Amino acid sequence: QQPVQSPQAVILREGEDAVINCSSSKALYSVHWYRQKHGEAPVFLMILLKGGEQKGHDKISASFNEKKQQSSLYLTASQLSYSGTYFCGTDNSGNTPLVFGKGTRLSVIA
Amino acid sequence: SAVISQKPSRDICQRGTSLTIQCQVDSQVTMMFWYRQQPGQSLTLIATANQGSEATYESGFVIDKFPISRPNLTFSTLTVSNLSPEDSSIYLCSVRQGASYGYTFGSGTRLTVV
Repeated sequence: QQPVQSPQAVILREGEDAVINCSSSKALYSVHWYRQKHGEAPVFLMILLKGGEQKGHDKISASFNEKKQQSSLYLTASQLSYSGTYFCGTDNSGNTPLVFGKGTRLSVIA
Repeated sequence: SAVISQKPSRDICQRGTSLTIQCQVDSQVTMMFWYRQQPGQSLTLIATANQGSEATYESGFVIDKFPISRPNLTFSTLTVSNLSPEDSSIYLCSVRQGASYGYTFGSGTRLTVV
């Protein structure tokens, strides 16, 4: 079942923050986050495993609420390089292939 | 993480013909996946290809239309058969090296059917 992402699109000025949400109606083993720039393949950002953790590197971090089957991706002090489409992918068991959300188009402007 | 070489990067094909896409991985991986992505859309799983067994297809995708080969742990092919304009899309292979790892994607094949 496809996870639901919100918002569909967001425009930021450099230095602003954004939150992208991903929710599922089914129990999750893990949530993945990817960024895809135009004309390129998706690039893995991070994985969050069940257990309710938070991860981050640089100014991009994410949380996973296992009970609510929700994950959020936090982008702080956005840079122009953050522009792209962000996809969450969900995995129900650790052995099933990822199902991706519809994506959130993020545009960072100067 | 694994590095994937996907070929061809793009092709224009006539209706009724077939296109075979190849993915070569620089390390052995058990699980390999084939996705389709329409421009501006999400990624839709076509099938999971495991070495030594038949591919597992998702609803709406059938083996006659999308035959998959997985002869070893580093290589797979996806053939899109009897092409129609509706098959125009980007096709991506991906691998996962374990349940705690993210997916690595090939660079994609942009197929246009005329």
